[in-house]
Amino acid sequence: LAKTTQPISMDSYEGQEVNITCSHNNIATNDYITWYQQFPSQGPRFIIQGYKTKVTNEVASLFIPADRKSSTLSLPRVSLSDTAVYYCLVGTSGNTGKLIFGQGTTLQVKP
Amino acid sequence: GAVVSQHPSRVICKSGTSVKIECRSLDFQATTMFWYRQFPKQSLMLMATSNEGSKATYEQGVEKDKFLINHASLTLSTLTVTSAHPEDSSFYICSVRGGIGTYNEQFFGPGTRLTVL
Repeated sequence: LAKTTQPISMDSYEGQEVNITCSHNNIATNDYITWYQQFPSQGPRFIIQGYKTKVTNEVASLFIPADRKSSTLSLPRVSLSDTAVYYCLVGTSGNTGKLIFGQGTTLQVKP
Repeated sequence: GAVVSQHPSRVICKSGTSVKIECRSLDFQATTMFWYRQFPKQSLMLMATSNEGSKATYEQGVEKDKFLINHASLTLSTLTVTSAHPEDSSFYICSVRGGIGTYNEQFFGPGTRLTVL
């Protein structure tokens, strides 16, 4: 399973766009990139997943360059409720389905 | 996505006792479930993969005799912490592996906070 590297923490203010970048230099051809969000004392929640280029849903956008060695989660106009830990994971459904969580990025949104 | 519940949400027990945590997939037949442990301000650590009808697969360093996992049906997996000690106090989270086409998506339960006195 490919290892990921993210910033440990980020600060932002309400209404700003937040971009969290994840490095995954050893991503395999069949790997997908998935982002999860976790609030304190809760289980993680799926945010978005992609393989290449750009994916957008009602919550976020995911930008993946052509070499796929990194990805950027973009949260538009964050609010205080977006304060959470964000995890970037890389893997494929073809294997055991295991997810190995890295350290994640703690996003603190300030008023 | 699948709805996953855990019971209890919070449990306090005395050292040396055993505690059972249930993980239920409410609307999805889960052939594979996962158990994680999370210590304060740390990331989730995968403990084991629970497969319906077969023995669980434990990650390296996780004592299978201490953390007993049973996945007897497609909707229920249980984790029993045997002879619990204070160092077992943690947040235990289960997840359900998504089906075909979900590409490694997992659906997580709300977690169980275990405190061992």
